[in-house]
Amino acid sequence: NAGVTQTPKFRVLKTGQSMTLLCAQDMNHEYMYWYRQDPGMGLRLIHYSVGEGTTAKGEVPDGYNVSRLKKQNFLLGLESAAPSQTSVYFCASRGSDPYNEQFFGPGTRLTVL
Amino acid sequence: LAKTTQPISMDSYEGQEVNITCSHNNIATNDYITWYQQFPSQGPRFIIQGYKTKVTNEVASLFIPADRKSSTLSLPRVSLSDTAVYYCLPSPRPGRRALTFGSGTRLQVQP
Repeated sequence: NAGVTQTPKFRVLKTGQSMTLLCAQDMNHEYMYWYRQDPGMGLRLIHYSVGEGTTAKGEVPDGYNVSRLKKQNFLLGLESAAPSQTSVYFCASRGSDPYNEQFFGPGTRLTVL
Repeated sequence: LAKTTQPISMDSYEGQEVNITCSHNNIATNDYITWYQQFPSQGPRFIIQGYKTKVTNEVASLFIPADRKSSTLSLPRVSLSDTAVYYCLPSPRPGRRALTFGSGTRLQVQP
């Protein structure tokens, strides 16, 4: 099992450019999450999904969109990148039991110039 | 949501036992307490979870008193590789879908 993988690992964008971050999991998990982590801070939830075809807003959703067309994939999109979106982005997944642990991916380091 | 409070940082030496205490005064009845570990440039990793009393696994022990207003993560005989940030957080009870991470405790282990 690869667990949770994220693509790409690093990316540099110019202000106004768009991009999509891909998260994939091979554990057949129902729940998937996108977090961002700024230097010295904890993780903040951007969007999450409780199943294929569903998405919901988290704590800091503005400037981001997501899609969950397939159960194993969760995409995070930035339509018009801003320097404030410079961060490390983590994807996570967990099974449907509410006490299951979350499994995190390795992260994507994004810099917006 | 239950708010958690942890020390910002702690220092230790190799071979010592480290105890990190987290306060969660308004934890919900159905919430478990979960601890995650995060190494630099990596995603958080589950360490241990408990509801009450003591839980032990191959990595750590977790002590939760009867009133459940605090919990203590105990790392026996730490090594340099235990240098990381440790997060304490309530586990999602049925109906709550996501975890709420605070700033965590930055543990620095010295040789």
